[in-house]
Amino acid sequence: DTEVTQTPKHLVMGMTNKKSLKCEQHMGHRAMYWYKQKAKKPPELMFVYSYEKLSINESVPSRFSPECPNSSLLNLHLHALQPEDSALYLCASSQLRDVSSGANVLTFGAGSRLTVL
Amino acid sequence: AQSVTQLDSHVSVSEGTPVLLRCNYSSSYSPSLFWYVQHPNKGLQLLLKYTSAATLVKGINGFEAEFKKSETSFHLTKPSAHMSDAAEYFCVVSPDNFNKFYFGSGTKLNVKP
Repeated sequence: DTEVTQTPKHLVMGMTNKKSLKCEQHMGHRAMYWYKQKAKKPPELMFVYSYEKLSINESVPSRFSPECPNSSLLNLHLHALQPEDSALYLCASSQLRDVSSGANVLTFGAGSRLTVL
Repeated sequence: AQSVTQLDSHVSVSEGTPVLLRCNYSSSYSPSLFWYVQHPNKGLQLLLKYTSAATLVKGINGFEAEFKKSETSFHLTKPSAHMSDAAEYFCVVSPDNFNKFYFGSGTKLNVKP
């Protein structure tokens, strides 16, 4: 299995709703990432989990709450979002090895398209 | 400091002609470099990677890239463009801190019939 699976593919929510995005991988990768991508822009890093622990938080607002229940799953909990949070949310995973070994490559899911009304 | 510059935001070629997408990087360390492709409303797919082995890297779908340390460049090429190559292409650098990946701003490739 060489895939990263994201659900749902599309999500529409109001500003008072609580929803979650889910990501799953079965490649044995020990790092998992959330990226946010606005139209015609590169992905922006939000969070990184290494060995199920949050290792990087790129100053993301608290209305986004990540969770890594185990080494295969990554969630992004959404609450009180704003219309400007509408974007494609991409999950990725990678192995945790030294760059010089050539083993660290990001594998992306297809993304969850979020619309906040 | 690490950064990636994609020199062209848009590139337009005719089907069957060569493709050149340019990427320059700056890194304090010996980096790993990648090219990813993104088709509309899709995730990102790895085309190829450079990780301090051979400087000429071959990827999927006939793409290749050459790492030139003296020029701090990692340009992506393909001898003959196909209509299905029309997409957004991102150059990515990962320095010694292997949890960090820095994205270029992207180059949109248009392929004309």
